[in-house]
Amino acid sequence: EPEVTQTPSHQVTQMGQEVILRCVPISNHLYFYWYRQILGQKVEFLVSFYNNEISEKSEIFDDQFSVERPDGSNFTLKIRSTKLEDSAMYFCASEAPSGGATDTQYFGPGTRLTVL
Amino acid sequence: QKEVEQNSGPLSVPEGAIASLNCTYSDRGSQSFFWYRQYSGKSPELIMSIYSNGDKEDGRFTAQLNKASQYVSLLIRDSQPSDSATYLCAVYSNSGYALNFGKGTSLLVTP
Repeated sequence: EPEVTQTPSHQVTQMGQEVILRCVPISNHLYFYWYRQILGQKVEFLVSFYNNEISEKSEIFDDQFSVERPDGSNFTLKIRSTKLEDSAMYFCASEAPSGGATDTQYFGPGTRLTVL
Repeated sequence: QKEVEQNSGPLSVPEGAIASLNCTYSDRGSQSFFWYRQYSGKSPELIMSIYSNGDKEDGRFTAQLNKASQYVSLLIRDSQPSDSATYLCAVYSNSGYALNFGKGTSLLVTP
């Protein structure tokens, strides 16, 4: 069964460094998402991406964040200058639009980002 | 800010019993509702989606939706220890892009 994959599974970085988290969505999906989950807290929406542009972003997704689909398979999240509070699990999700309310997002296994 | 509320639990039920998980949402215009299961340290895994008022059954799981009361629930019949996890209720935002998640209810099924 097709699934969303993410690399790396765990990323440790120093505060102020740039990180790129990578995702390979399910191949026939057209909508792509990033969510994060700080330890012990709820899953929070960051950004959605469709047709090579951002379709929606949350207030969390500030100028330090960017997303890109550099080729036909990868979807990346870049954090330009990491802060301690960026430490979280980052989930990529993808969706095959079937027309309105029935669309379902499938999540990848996540990347645990630790900022020291 | 559109809110999705869940009792954090833990909800403890004996093996073989019915577990009942509840969720309320604030946006009366919400159309699509999802239940995800999340094991500790893992990603959310879709269990069920529901869009129409009433019940929807899938194996041991039944989702119930009452849009007038802005209430969605998940029943797990014949609960098993492997069902022990956090259950997340999620609702699409008005834009239809973002999923708004509740904090989740922790379920513990005891042998």
